[in-house]
Amino acid sequence: KQEVTQIPAALSVPEGENLVLNCSFTDSAIYNLQWFRQDPGKGLTSLLLIQSSQREQTSGRLNASLDKSSGRSTLYIAASQPGDSATYLCAPNGGATNKLIFGTGTLLAVQP
Amino acid sequence: NAGVTQTPKFQVLKTGQSMTLQCAQDMNHEYMSWYRQDPGMGLRLIHYSVGAGITDQGEVPNGYNVSRSTTEDFPLRLLSAAPSQTSVYFCASSPRPLGLNTGELFFGEGSRLTVL
Repeated sequence: KQEVTQIPAALSVPEGENLVLNCSFTDSAIYNLQWFRQDPGKGLTSLLLIQSSQREQTSGRLNASLDKSSGRSTLYIAASQPGDSATYLCAPNGGATNKLIFGTGTLLAVQP
Repeated sequence: NAGVTQTPKFQVLKTGQSMTLQCAQDMNHEYMSWYRQDPGMGLRLIHYSVGAGITDQGEVPNGYNVSRSTTEDFPLRLLSAAPSQTSVYFCASSPRPLGLNTGELFFGEGSRLTVL
């Protein structure tokens, strides 16, 4: 069974810092991995989708990497802003279950 | 496009009552799914569908029924609500079934259900 762990569970940083969020998963036989953002009381918004054949994917100040063999992905946020404050979730897709399994997320607070 | 639309946004039920959470998407997506989100548990898959007329169970299907008579709609039915079903429910869709060629997953805004 795929298990997904996100570290840290919560993070508070001053505005302008670069930061890294970590995601690890136990079943490396995945097709792809998505990173999502969730604002309080809202649904999830897809940030980046990395296919299993890719090592990195970039969108603006966000960069996600994938090391499938070691079961790890990282989300790098450059020059953080208060508007980045949200919960970030990773979800590998595939493996034995062929389903999207979510981590419990990292709650990010960027202080002005 | 409206994207993924869920109704109602809030609902309070008494134990034993039944109700249906509605989900509609206007993006002609093949794949639709229902998740529940509970504190400390993350999102867990309830049921999913890879196309009209095809549904399958996720991680936590007990107490829930689904059907997919059209591409656009994927309602979730609670037949006899229990307090353990108090949660936030999310509907999500994707252009293609999850797998090698999947696209992004698009989520609705959620339906907050309380069972007394």
